[in-house]
Amino acid sequence: DGGITQSPKYLFRKEGQNVTLSCEQNLNHDAMYWYRQDPGQGLRLIYYSQIVNDFQKGDIAEGYSVSREKKESFPLTVTSAQKNPTAFYLCASSARLAEFSTDTQYFGPGTRLTVL
Amino acid sequence: SQQGEEDPQALSIQEGENATMNCSYKTSINNLQWYRQNSGRGLVHLILIRSNEREKHSGRLRVTLDTSKKSSSLLITASRAADTASYFCATAKGGANNLFFGTGTRLTVIP
Repeated sequence: DGGITQSPKYLFRKEGQNVTLSCEQNLNHDAMYWYRQDPGQGLRLIYYSQIVNDFQKGDIAEGYSVSREKKESFPLTVTSAQKNPTAFYLCASSARLAEFSTDTQYFGPGTRLTVL
Repeated sequence: SQQGEEDPQALSIQEGENATMNCSYKTSINNLQWYRQNSGRGLVHLILIRSNEREKHSGRLRVTLDTSKKSSSLLITASRAADTASYFCATAKGGANNLFFGTGTRLTVIP
């Protein structure tokens, strides 16, 4: 089946620890995105990548880091520098590169991170 | 900020009624998209309308776009209990395929 997967579904972390969220897609999409969603809120863009080995900061990149070593994978690390990391994290991908700006984004099921 | 805002924040209707949600945004756009999110799940794309289009249909969904007023509406006709979800509008602006999401309308359809 084609799709985008995220793991784990639920993640618990102690304060001061770094944690990495996985995102994989087998849709052959060039672009991938990470969003954060807080209760009752919309999505805010953390990082995005339009092509392998390249990524850009979104609106709330502080305290997060990403890598894009493979087209299929775009892991997100939540570092201890992120002051309020408890949230629902969504990964997405889309088919085309930036200049077209018409393609829809396909979302994974999300990872709920809780900092204890 | 380019982020859209949906109105109302929450909407509760009886099954069979129509549901209308509105979205306003601030800057010029290439297209506007509507997404649906069931509680605790990822978003699912519903429909995309380009800036040169005024109305679009998909099944029981009807989307309108008024670029002069910087607003869009999503109409769900003959609602069903399974339509219960949060609905988000997202705008895309040229230069990057990034979407700016609104805060969402939480729709509850009562059986």
